[in-house]
Amino acid sequence: EPEVTQTPSHQVTQMGQEVILRCVPISNHLYFYWYRQILGQKVEFLVSFYNNEISEKSEIFDDQFSVERPDGSNFTLKIRSTKLEDSAMYFCASSVQGGPGELFFGEGSRLTVL
Amino acid sequence: QKEVEQNSGPLSVPEGAIASLNCTYSDRGSQSFFWYRQYSGKSPELIMFIYSNGDKEDGRFTAQLNKASQYVSLLIRDSQPSDSATYLCAVNLNSGGSNYKLTFGKGTLLTVNP
Repeated sequence: EPEVTQTPSHQVTQMGQEVILRCVPISNHLYFYWYRQILGQKVEFLVSFYNNEISEKSEIFDDQFSVERPDGSNFTLKIRSTKLEDSAMYFCASSVQGGPGELFFGEGSRLTVL
Repeated sequence: QKEVEQNSGPLSVPEGAIASLNCTYSDRGSQSFFWYRQYSGKSPELIMFIYSNGDKEDGRFTAQLNKASQYVSLLIRDSQPSDSATYLCAVNLNSGGSNYKLTFGKGTLLTVNP
């Protein structure tokens, strides 16, 4: 069964460092997303991406965040200067269309900022 | 501020019983509604989605939507210990189109006792 894959599964970084989280969406999917979940908190929408550009972003997704699809298969989330409060599980997701139907989540990348 | 509210639980039911999970949402413009299951440390897994008022059944699961009351529920019949997880309610403003910008509730922890 096709799946969304994410790397790394866990990353530990120092505050102020740059982090790149990588995702390989399902191959025929057109819409890509990043969500995050701080431990014990809600899953929160960060950004959606379609046709090589951001289609929508939340207020969480400020200037320290960026996304790109560098090579037609990977979809990355970059955090330029990490803060303690960026510690969370980051989920990549993809869908064939924007809806209706299933939004497929990857297994997540756990980011720990020290 | 768009909110999705769920009882955090834990909700404890015996094996074979019906588990009833409830969710309310604040934005009357919401069009599509999702139930996800999340095991500890794992990513959300879609159980069902519903768009129209009424009931939608899929195997042991029934989703119920009442847009007038801004209420959506999930019934799990013949509950199994493997159903023990956190159940996330998620709401989308769009019924289709270009975006899965989901607003999640905090989830209800369900425990099914053998």
